[in-house]
Amino acid sequence: TQLLEQSPQFLSIQEGENLTVYCNSSSVFSSLQWYRQEPGEGPVLLVTVVTGGEVKKLKRLTFQFGDARKDSSLHITAAQPGDTGLYLCAGVGGSQGNLIFGKGTKLSVKP
Amino acid sequence: DVKVTQSSRYLVKRTGEKVFLECVQDMDHENMFWYRQDPGLGLRLIYFSYDVKMKEKGDIPEGYSVSREKKERFSLILESASTNQTSMYLCASSFTGARGEKLFFGSGTQLSVL
Repeated sequence: TQLLEQSPQFLSIQEGENLTVYCNSSSVFSSLQWYRQEPGEGPVLLVTVVTGGEVKKLKRLTFQFGDARKDSSLHITAAQPGDTGLYLCAGVGGSQGNLIFGKGTKLSVKP
Repeated sequence: DVKVTQSSRYLVKRTGEKVFLECVQDMDHENMFWYRQDPGLGLRLIYFSYDVKMKEKGDIPEGYSVSREKKERFSLILESASTNQTSMYLCASSFTGARGEKLFFGSGTQLSVL
C-alpha cells in the first residue's frame, strides 16, 4: 500500500515568517496534488505537480515535486493569517486507482 | 463554479439509529466519493461511485452503505449508527474517471453519535 507521510503535523508561526511543509513516500507517484482545508470547509485543490523536478508558484506559495517523484514540498513566503488551515497532499495510489491522502499539516499563522 | 452540497453541517444521532447523509453536485460529474476525516487519521475513503446505480467499496466500508439513484446525488447510509462513527464526513465529486483527477469537496457534515 502506498503511503504519504506529511511533516510537520502541526506548525504555529507568526505572520511574516517563512515555512516549508513536506510530503514524502517510498513509492513513485505519477502526480501529486496539494489541497488546503480551512476550518469548517472541505479541502480545495491548490495545485497538481506532474513532472519530476517541477516547481509551481501560486503567489506566495511554491510547490516542488522531487526528481524521483516520491516527494513534494510546499514553501510559503511571508505567511499571513489567511494561510491558516490544514494542508493535504494526495496522490493516486489506492487499490482501485483512487487518490490517497496524507494526514496533513495543520498550520496556524498568528497576527 | 462546481458546487457540492451536503445537506447538513451538523448532525446528532443516537446509537442504533439509521442515518442518511445526502450529497448533491451540480456539474454533471460522473464520479462521487464519500470520505470520513478524523484527527490523526486523515481522509479515508468509504465508498465511491463512477456511474448511476454503481458503487464500489473504498478502504473502510464496514458499517456503511451508499445509494446513487440519480447522477447528481450520492447518499451515505449508516444502517445502525455507533459511537465510533462519530466523525466529519466529506462528499466529493470529479468529472471523469481519469486517474489523479481533481476532487471537488462539499463543506462536510460533522456527525456525533451519542
